[in-house]
Amino acid sequence: KQEVTQIPAALSVPEGENLVLNCSFTDSAIYNLQWFRQDPGKGLTSLLLIQSSQREQTSGRLNASLDKSSGRSTLYIAASQPGDSATYLCAVDMRFGAGTRLTVKP
Amino acid sequence: DTGVSQDPRHKITKRGQNVTFRCDPISEHNRLYWYRQTLGQGPEFLTYFQNEAQLEKSRLLSDRFSAERPKGSFSTLEIQRTEQGDSAMYLCASSLPGGMNEQYFGPGTRLTVT
Repeated sequence: KQEVTQIPAALSVPEGENLVLNCSFTDSAIYNLQWFRQDPGKGLTSLLLIQSSQREQTSGRLNASLDKSSGRSTLYIAASQPGDSATYLCAVDMRFGAGTRLTVKP
Repeated sequence: DTGVSQDPRHKITKRGQNVTFRCDPISEHNRLYWYRQTLGQGPEFLTYFQNEAQLEKSRLLSDRFSAERPKGSFSTLEIQRTEQGDSAMYLCASSLPGGMNEQYFGPGTRLTVT
């Protein structure tokens, strides 16, 4: 059974910092890995999808990498802004981690 | 609006009552997924459909839970004899067929069982 873990559970940084969120998974036989953002009380917004044959994807200030052999993915956020404050969730196929709650302080 | 829609957005019910939620996927999406999310946790997979076929069902989905997608378009999730532990956000997502496609989520239905 696929287990997905996200570290850290919470992160607070000052505005402008670059940061990395981590996601690990136990079964490397995956179709894809998707990063989402969730604001309090809201649904999930897709940020990036990495298919199993890919190593990374980029969108604006976001870059996600995938290393299937080690069961790891990272989400890199450049030049963080207060508007980036949210919970970031990693999903491996249909299995989610518990998320990282990010606070970016002005 | 061409995104995933869910109805109702909020539901308050008394323990023991039955509730039904509806999800309308993006029109060209053949796959539809249901998840449950409690406070501070990531979504838990419940079940998914390709067209009208229910292809996978989590062990979390007890006998009190049932999902249908009779015409391969919208889907319903029914919970019978609700319990306080069923209080959660119920999320629906859809995608194009195949395991490599992006999931798009609806806004969710928040269920409170009193």
